[in-house]
Amino acid sequence: DTEVTQTPKHLVMGMTNKKSLKCEQHMGHRAMYWYKQKAKKPPELMFVYSYEKLSINESVPSRFSPECPNSSLLNLHLHALQPEDSALYLCASSQGVNGGGGYTFGSGTRLTVV
Amino acid sequence: KQEVTQIPAALSVPEGENLVLNCSFTDSAIYNLQWFRQDPGKGLTSLLLIQSSQREQTSGRLNASLDKSSGRSTLYIAASQPGDSATYLCAVRYMWEKKSSGDKLTFGTGTRLAVRP
Repeated sequence: DTEVTQTPKHLVMGMTNKKSLKCEQHMGHRAMYWYKQKAKKPPELMFVYSYEKLSINESVPSRFSPECPNSSLLNLHLHALQPEDSALYLCASSQGVNGGGGYTFGSGTRLTVV
Repeated sequence: KQEVTQIPAALSVPEGENLVLNCSFTDSAIYNLQWFRQDPGKGLTSLLLIQSSQREQTSGRLNASLDKSSGRSTLYIAASQPGDSATYLCAVRYMWEKKSSGDKLTFGTGTRLAVRP
């Protein structure tokens, strides 16, 4: 299995809703990432998990809450989002700092906040 | 500051042309460099990965080169086809300030390619 699977593919949520994005990989990668991408812009790093521990938080607002239940799963919990949070959310994985490989990205979740 | 720039920002070519996409980066202390393709509204598909010790990588009609000393990489696409139309992103992998914190991928601004039939 050489894929990163993200669910759902599309999500529409109100500003008072609570929802979660899910990401799964079975490549044995020990680093997992969340990126946010706005239209016609490159992806921007949000969070890095290394060996199931949060190692980097790029000053992301607390309405985004990441979680790594195990080495294969990564969640992003959403609460009280704003319309400007509408974007494509991408999950990625890699072998981490001690590996030599590249990043593998999922197909993304298109999030619309209404 | 670690910046990655891609030129041109957009490119439109007739089918069959050979073309070159450029990527430049300001910090030569890279781990590796990866080229991605992104179709509208979709995720990123990895095309080629070049380690910092390598000069080039090839896959089919694609060839990527790396010159770490000058901070440049190029993606060469031979005999372009309409199906090659997409946004191409180069991404440089740097180590975080503390290795224990992990690494980060810094993306270029992208080149939007349109190949006309």
